[in-house]
Amino acid sequence: GQNIDQPTEMTATEGAIVQINCTYQTSGFNGLFWYQQHAGEAPTFLSYNVLDGLEEKGRFSSFLSRSKGYSYLLLKELQMKDSASYLCAVSPNYGQNFVFGPGTRLSVLP
Amino acid sequence: DSGVTQTPKHLITATGQRVTLRCSPRSGDLSVYWYQQSLDQGLQFLIQYYNGEERAKGNILERFSAQQFPDLHSELNLSSLELGDSALYFCASSPRTSGGYNEQFFGPGTRLTVL
Repeated sequence: GQNIDQPTEMTATEGAIVQINCTYQTSGFNGLFWYQQHAGEAPTFLSYNVLDGLEEKGRFSSFLSRSKGYSYLLLKELQMKDSASYLCAVSPNYGQNFVFGPGTRLSVLP
Repeated sequence: DSGVTQTPKHLITATGQRVTLRCSPRSGDLSVYWYQQSLDQGLQFLIQYYNGEERAKGNILERFSAQQFPDLHSELNLSSLELGDSALYFCASSPRTSGGYNEQFFGPGTRLTVL
């Protein structure tokens, strides 16, 4: 089966750094994606990892360890607009649908 | 704006009815995916089409069906609607179905309310 786990909720302060973890157990692996979703809106792409290591993109970075079935999304210099749900998704095989985790709801406080 | 369009934006209907949700993928994208997101729930994959053919099936009920037309737009048909079908329905598209990086681009969603 396919299973992806994320913390349900996190809270952080404006200007701080937060790390959102994701663990996965899937039948195959063809990449891990992070999406941001504001309430009632469409998910928007943040990052993609297929090899082990860190991918940096401005204030957002994503890390992958395939041997551990583990990824994290790091958000730096938090802003109020970063309050959203963050979805971890794994592509188990070529061209297959994503398996999405339950999402982590992040609240950024002033 | 992802380039994926969905209509209608909102739909209110009664139990037992049938509705059709429409999705137009980004120009050039061959794959279309449908997802259901109930209140405070994660995205549940329903079905995928690639260039007109069904490619993968997820947790799609028998009351639900979909198709992708020659112009690549897709429709999701929901019948014998129940209260529990109330949800946001997202369509996503991607350029290819095999090989490497296959980021999905999501449409704005259709909010279905069944009364």
